[in-house]
Amino acid sequence: KQEVTQIPAALSVPEGENLVLNCSFTDSAIYNLQWFRQDPGKGLTSLLLIQSSQREQTSGRLNASLDKSSGRSTLYIAASQPGDSATYLCAVMAPSNDYKLSFGAGTTVTVRA
Amino acid sequence: DGGITQSPKYLFRKEGQNVTLSCEQNLNHDAMYWYRQDPGQGLRLIYYSQIVNDFQKGDIAEGYSVSREKKESFPLTVTSAQKNPTAFYLCASGGRLSQPQHFGDGTRLSIL
Repeated sequence: KQEVTQIPAALSVPEGENLVLNCSFTDSAIYNLQWFRQDPGKGLTSLLLIQSSQREQTSGRLNASLDKSSGRSTLYIAASQPGDSATYLCAVMAPSNDYKLSFGAGTTVTVRA
Repeated sequence: DGGITQSPKYLFRKEGQNVTLSCEQNLNHDAMYWYRQDPGQGLRLIYYSQIVNDFQKGDIAEGYSVSREKKESFPLTVTSAQKNPTAFYLCASGGRLSQPQHFGDGTRLSIL
């Protein structure tokens, strides 16, 4: 069964610092990996989706990398802002789980002004 | 605007009562999903449906039931058999597997 882990559970940084969020997964035979953002009391918003054949995806200040062989993905957020404060979740889609998403518990980020 | 609408935003259940959470989408997606989110845990899949009139159990289906009579709608019933229903419930829909899932804003269920 695919296990997805996100460490640390919480992170606090000063405004302007670059953020590095980690995601690890146990089964490297994935279809894609997705990063989501969740604000308190809200649903999830998709940030980036990386197909298994890709090594990275970029959108504005966000960059996500994927290393299937080591079972890791990293989300980089450049020049963090207080508005980046949220919980970030990664999810993995794999054939072994009938192409359903397996979620990590998330990293809660606080960007201090 | 296309999206997913969940209602109500807050719901309270009495002992022995069944409650139904609504989920409607206008994204023309075939697949719909119900997740449960507890503090400090990842989302866990309750039920999913890949096509109208068909649905499958997820990882934690006990105490829940669903129906999929219309493409746009996927209601979730939390039955009295679910002994620990207090959680945040999220509905999602998806198009092709290569595209991200879209989520509603959730329903928070509590026990009276």
